[in-house]
Amino acid sequence: GAGVSQSPSNKVTEKGKDVELRCDPISGHTALYWYRQSLGQGLEFLIYFQGNSAPDKSGLPSDRFSAERTGGSVSTLTIQRTQQEDSAVYLCASSDLRERDYGYTFGSGTRLTVV
Amino acid sequence: TQLLEQSPQFLSIQEGENLTVYCNSSSVFSSLQWYRQEPGEGPVLLVTVVTGGEVKKLKRLTFQFGDARKDSSLHITAAQPGDTGLYLCAGARWSGAGSYQLTFGKGTKLSVIP
Repeated sequence: GAGVSQSPSNKVTEKGKDVELRCDPISGHTALYWYRQSLGQGLEFLIYFQGNSAPDKSGLPSDRFSAERTGGSVSTLTIQRTQQEDSAVYLCASSDLRERDYGYTFGSGTRLTVV
Repeated sequence: TQLLEQSPQFLSIQEGENLTVYCNSSSVFSSLQWYRQEPGEGPVLLVTVVTGGEVKKLKRLTFQFGDARKDSSLHITAAQPGDTGLYLCAGARWSGAGSYQLTFGKGTKLSVIP
């Protein structure tokens, strides 16, 4: 598609429930990133997928968080047993690392609220 | 650990004024990017600076990368209400595992009052 698409745009869930967030990157972009943006905290790196390489999971805050990328395209971020501190905007970005500026193209994010 | 410090955090100015936003780090980056984010949207890339001392201009916006590639500044001339938004700097590096990552500052929230 023309841009990075994320769904849902908003999600309200009860504490303890599992949630799945979806990201459709730009077609042909081999790199895909998940970030979390909390109020006053900036963007926090979560996980990075590059082609067929093993993902860089170094930013995942706990084992309740996992992500996968199927067929080198769509990615899902799963949060199990959600906690209130998981409330944030989850941003997905993709990048074509063949482009000189290596700029990220972000989606509009999923605003997750855990009540 | 906050690798990139942005200042100021908040800035409210009148239309027509000039302003500068700073992005500082003790770490060296292979490049530095500036993004602008509006409410409810993801950040949008404005510019990438790669070479130490590099200066890039984008209309009324001037971006500079420090000689040591540790810091950067964004200068806006004659600010307009349309410049309102959150400005984020991000330092890029390749990790030992071959992962290309951006580390973001907390941002500068700019309000330009008509």
